[in-house]
Amino acid sequence: EDKVVQSPLSLVVHEGDTVTLNCSYEVTNFRSLLWYKQEKKAPTFLFMLTSSGIEKKSGRLSSILDKKELFSILNITATQTGDSAVYLCAVEARAGGTSYGKLTFGQGTILTVHP
Amino acid sequence: KAGVTQTPRYLIKTRGQQVTLSCSPISGHRSVSWYQQTPGQGLQFLFEYFSETQRNKGNFPGRFSGRQFSNSRSEMNVSTLELGDSALYLCASSYSLVWEGGNEQFFGPGTRLTVL
Repeated sequence: EDKVVQSPLSLVVHEGDTVTLNCSYEVTNFRSLLWYKQEKKAPTFLFMLTSSGIEKKSGRLSSILDKKELFSILNITATQTGDSAVYLCAVEARAGGTSYGKLTFGQGTILTVHP
Repeated sequence: KAGVTQTPRYLIKTRGQQVTLSCSPISGHRSVSWYQQTPGQGLQFLFEYFSETQRNKGNFPGRFSGRQFSNSRSEMNVSTLELGDSALYLCASSYSLVWEGGNEQFFGPGTRLTVL
């Protein structure tokens, strides 16, 4: 069964700090790894990493995928209070059978950024 | 482009009742996946529909069912509600392309179901 483990489960920092969130996974026939940000509403898509795209960057957020070691990290630099949220990591297996449309999520990392 | 919409946003039911939730995907998306989110179990996959066909189902009892219409809108139904069904129900849509890359799923705002 596919498995995703995130660490740490919670993190408290001050504005301006840099944080690194971790995601390790076990999945049969890996296809992609996705990062989402969830505030008090629906998860918002951040990045998708695949075999052909193992690094992504958008503003202060960046992410890398290590397919050999089966993990990904999400970095946030110069954190702001608006970055406070739950960050979710999910993996998608290659389409077919029990994989269609299914994302397997980790428990999430609760990030709190104090002013 | 309009995002994924879900109705209703909040619902309160009593044990034994049934409920129907609705999801309208992003225009052009043909795949709709449903998830249940609870504090204890996190986000868990319920099922996925593509072109009116259920292609995949998670480990939930038969009380949880769904369907998809020709315009890709989807509904999920929970019958004989139990207290443990209280959760945030999220739907997500994607193109579900058959290619080497992945398929981003975009989530709706969810329906918060409370079972009393």
